[in-house]
Amino acid sequence: DAKTTQPTSMDCAEGRAANLPCNHSTISGNEYVYWYRQIHSQGPQYIIHGLKNNETNEMASLIITEDRKSSTLILPHATLRDTAVYYCIVRVRISIANQFYFGTGTSLTVIP
Amino acid sequence: GAGVSQSPSNKVTEKGKDVELRCDPISGHTALYWYRQSLGQGLEFLIYFQGNSAPDKSGLPSDRFSAERTGGSVSTLTIQRTQQEDSAVYLCASSLDRNSGNTIYFGEGSWLTVV
Repeated sequence: DAKTTQPTSMDCAEGRAANLPCNHSTISGNEYVYWYRQIHSQGPQYIIHGLKNNETNEMASLIITEDRKSSTLILPHATLRDTAVYYCIVRVRISIANQFYFGTGTSLTVIP
Repeated sequence: GAGVSQSPSNKVTEKGKDVELRCDPISGHTALYWYRQSLGQGLEFLIYFQGNSAPDKSGLPSDRFSAERTGGSVSTLTIQRTQQEDSAVYLCASSLDRNSGNTIYFGEGSWLTVV
């Protein structure tokens, strides 16, 4: 079962920041939040992950609320190549396994 | 390249035939995952391998589906007596599977069409 909820779709103007929200109200203290994206016909691509603190890398920033019940992925300057489905995932540790439960994601369209 | 490699990239098979899909994980990765993605849908977990431990098969949809991982590296997903509803892209991923900060890396998938 996916432990996250995301809007089905979003639009963003090229060059503007894209802010993709995600709710994970049932997240546990040791569960990480991951973001992946999937461009049509390709395998999912890792973007960023975090536990409690905000994170930034060359692709994006991840803002996690203090209560950890929600997060936002920020693409600071969206380009047309950022058009993709973005998945917010909670990594669950079950026994010896790290489980990544994917929902249906947010389809982001970057508009010229 | 050093990424996850899957083969075949595309497979068309007749209903009732068996198919085998192969995954070569990133070298040194101890964990391996199989997912299925039907057209326009999210990813559905199928099976997980970690080192020499018993695999987590909880996501396999029926007993027609099986997977093995030989020597802790290459994995094969087998679908017996394929049905049209098995048509999907089958994605393999691997990771180092550390307790913290784990990241899984995906291959490009094997597109299966059952006619």
